[in-house]
Amino acid sequence: AQTVTQSQPEMSVQEAETVTLSCTYDTSENNYYLFWYKQPPSRQMILVIRQEAYKQQNATENRFSVNFQKAAKSFSLKISDSQLGDTAMYFCAFNYGGSQGNLIFGKGTKLSVKP
Amino acid sequence: NAGVMQNPRHLVRRRGQEARLRCSPMKGHSHVYWYRQLPEEGLKFMVYLQKENIIDESGMPKERFSAEFPKEGPSILRIQQVVRGDSAAYFCASSPPGDYSPLHFGNGTRLTVT
Repeated sequence: AQTVTQSQPEMSVQEAETVTLSCTYDTSENNYYLFWYKQPPSRQMILVIRQEAYKQQNATENRFSVNFQKAAKSFSLKISDSQLGDTAMYFCAFNYGGSQGNLIFGKGTKLSVKP
Repeated sequence: NAGVMQNPRHLVRRRGQEARLRCSPMKGHSHVYWYRQLPEEGLKFMVYLQKENIIDESGMPKERFSAEFPKEGPSILRIQQVVRGDSAAYFCASSPPGDYSPLHFGNGTRLTVT
């Protein structure tokens, strides 16, 4: 079965510091897509970053970057220079090659950025 | 360019009633997906639709739940004879044509069954 595990239910970080959220997954597929989504209190799901499994280079979007370790099936998210607006639930997800849009989500990590 | 629009934002139904959740995809998007989020959980895939076609309904409960995306108008997720266990946030997402395009999510509909 395809699964996604986020082992940190809650984390906190001081404003301007760096935090890393962990995610591991299990799949027998070789090609797939990995995502991090942010869900602020407004409840909207916002795509933070996306990684294609066949690309070795780690994806980066401004202050957000990933550490993708395919052999270890690990996909962590690093947030640099944390801002108060980064406070949210963060969900790791992947599409294992099933139908497009059939994403499997982890249970999420609640991140609090403290002033 | 308006995002994915879901309505209503909140919906309260008594046990046994029907719930209808609506989703208008982003302009130019022809693929629609429905997800359910139970409290303290991640999102669970329910169904993937294109205009007038159900592509993947592997996550839909076998009974009481149905979804459609007609040629004209929004996509509808319909839950008949709701039970308390149906209380959840229901999210719609859309994407343009093309393999594995990123999903754009709406703000969700929170369904409460009393």
